[in-house]
Amino acid sequence: AQKVTQAQTEISVVEKEDVTLDCVYETRDTTYYLFWYKQPPSGELVFLIRRNSFDEQNEISGRYSWNFQKSTSSFNFTITASQVVDSAVYFCALGTPGSARQLTFGSGTQLTVLP
Amino acid sequence: GAGVSQSPSNKVTEKGKDVELRCDPISGHTALYWYRQSLGQGLEFLIYFQGNSAPDKSGLPSDRFSAERTGGSVSTLTIQRTQQEDSAVYLCASSLVLYNEQFFGPGTRLTVL
Repeated sequence: AQKVTQAQTEISVVEKEDVTLDCVYETRDTTYYLFWYKQPPSGELVFLIRRNSFDEQNEISGRYSWNFQKSTSSFNFTITASQVVDSAVYFCALGTPGSARQLTFGSGTQLTVLP
Repeated sequence: GAGVSQSPSNKVTEKGKDVELRCDPISGHTALYWYRQSLGQGLEFLIYFQGNSAPDKSGLPSDRFSAERTGGSVSTLTIQRTQQEDSAVYLCASSLVLYNEQFFGPGTRLTVL
């Protein structure tokens, strides 16, 4: 069985602060894929990143960075110098070859960035 | 090119009526997925298509739900005899092939009165 836990239901920060969104996953598969999606108030899910289980390199994309730690089954997402436009619900998701037809989503973290 | 599109964007219906939700995937994407997102909840997987085939329908909540895909493109999710608990946002996604990242449409917000 697969499970994704996003323990932070809501986070509120002031603009320009850094913020980290936690994601912990569970799977028995040795090959799997991790994703982050952003859901702004408009409702449309926006793909942010995909990480394969065999690639533990961390990634940075502008103000976004991701820290993949297989030892702790975590795939955390950090926004540096947050902006009001970053306010959204962020979902972490897990797929495995056997079930990559679907993604197992966490319950999401509502991030509010205050001006 | 265009992203995933869904219609209608909003649908209000009376309990007991049938509804059809439509999804147009990104051109060339072979895999198509349906999810449901209830208020304040995460995403619940419903069904996927590889081409026109849906090998696993176990994610559908009840036998009132059905889905089809024709021509490897457009998909329709049908809910018969709608119930109030069917109220949710129904999201469609597509990916180039299975295992690739899924791109989501804007969703259809269904309200059953």
